[in-house]
Amino acid sequence: AQRVTQPEKLLSVFKGAPVELKCNYSYSGSPELFWYVQYSRQRLQLLLRHISRESIKGFTADLNKGETSFHLKKPFAQEEDSAMYYCALKGGTSYGKLTFGQGTILTVHP
Amino acid sequence: ETGVTQSPTHLIKTRGQQVTLRCSSQSGHNTVSWYQQALGQGPQFIFQYYREEENGRGNFPPRFSGLQFPNYSSELNVNALELDDSALYLCASSLAGGAGNTGELFFGEGSRLTVL
Repeated sequence: AQRVTQPEKLLSVFKGAPVELKCNYSYSGSPELFWYVQYSRQRLQLLLRHISRESIKGFTADLNKGETSFHLKKPFAQEEDSAMYYCALKGGTSYGKLTFGQGTILTVHP
Repeated sequence: ETGVTQSPTHLIKTRGQQVTLRCSSQSGHNTVSWYQQALGQGPQFIFQYYREEENGRGNFPPRFSGLQFPNYSSELNVNALELDDSALYLCASSLAGGAGNTGELFFGEGSRLTVL
């Protein structure tokens, strides 16, 4: 069975501080991991995926297979980063089937 | 480019009733996935449709069923509603196959179902 765990339901930081949203997964095969974000009054949208190795809005995430983690990091948080963040795992061949974590609400204070 | 649209946005049903939720996929997308999101939880995969056939199912009973139409729009049907079916139902579309398959899901705003 595949599982995604986001241990922090709430995370608060001040503007300019570093932020790390934790994500751990359980999957026996070769995983593909994603971070999805939902800003206030907006729909759920893709932030980044590990296979792209990209930085989006200053966020990066590295897949660590040894620790089965995919933590999301940003060195200097901005107020507009406040949102709900979901870590998601694709197991198998279908991109439509994702296993989501419970989500972390990030609040960046001015 | 038209995004994913869902209807209705809100609805209230009573236990034992049946409900149909509708989804229009993003232009050019051929795959639709449905998710259930209970309050305070992440989305949970219900099933996916590709080329009008169910192509993957999560841990949901048979009273959750769906359809995909030739224009790639989709319906989610839930029979014999239970109180625990109260949730936000999300539809997501994507493009399966070919160079356009980036793995990104495009979500609708959801249909919030309340079962009394």
